[in-house]
Amino acid sequence: GESVGLHLPTLSVQEGDNSIINCAYSNSASDYFIWYKQESGKGPQFIIDIRSNMDKRQGQRVTVLLNKTVKHLSLQIAATQPGDSAVYFCAENRDANTGNQFYFGTGTSLTVIP
Amino acid sequence: GAGVSQSPRYKVAKRGQDVALRCDPISGHVSLFWYQQALGQGPEFLTYFQNEAQLDKSGLPSDRFFAERPEGSVSTLKIQRTQQEDSAVYLCASRSRGTGAETQYFGPGTRLLVL
Repeated sequence: GESVGLHLPTLSVQEGDNSIINCAYSNSASDYFIWYKQESGKGPQFIIDIRSNMDKRQGQRVTVLLNKTVKHLSLQIAATQPGDSAVYFCAENRDANTGNQFYFGTGTSLTVIP
Repeated sequence: GAGVSQSPRYKVAKRGQDVALRCDPISGHVSLFWYQQALGQGPEFLTYFQNEAQLDKSGLPSDRFFAERPEGSVSTLKIQRTQQEDSAVYLCASRSRGTGAETQYFGPGTRLLVL
């Protein structure tokens, strides 16, 4: 399943399928990006990050892709599990040298259907 | 090791009441951030500390909001004369370094409800 970021804030996928969550960022000067997972009643939890000098980074079952040309970020989750159900936020850091402000997207709610 | 902790986890206040929200960052972390998260929205930046210095408070919505970190560890966010629009989850995050491309680690948040 695939979301279209702000225009489709919910995504439902079957357990075992791959998920793709998209995020459009606004500032071409942003140089550091983080994906967070937030479960109900909890604070955001770090999933994976990527710097602007990269276009792809892989973690355990997750991959982040960065397309600076169109200012687009995506999170791919392989073999989605029920425990992956949560709201996912992308966050951009507009100047990693100062690193003071992170700007969060609206979020995408992922529901995994067993 | 312990993560970021926040207290209280829930706070109900009557309109006009003052509240104080506490954040205990990860030990040794230089940077501390406060965010406000409205229902169904992403966190919004409020303020940033590097050790005890408040370097950025541009996100504080009004002069009723005040934050401090006097000894460079624990931080308190104070909201004076609370209004209903202040109802939100207040998140604290810390980061080991002062600057650089490095993630923040979030606490569980304090859910504030102003009646």
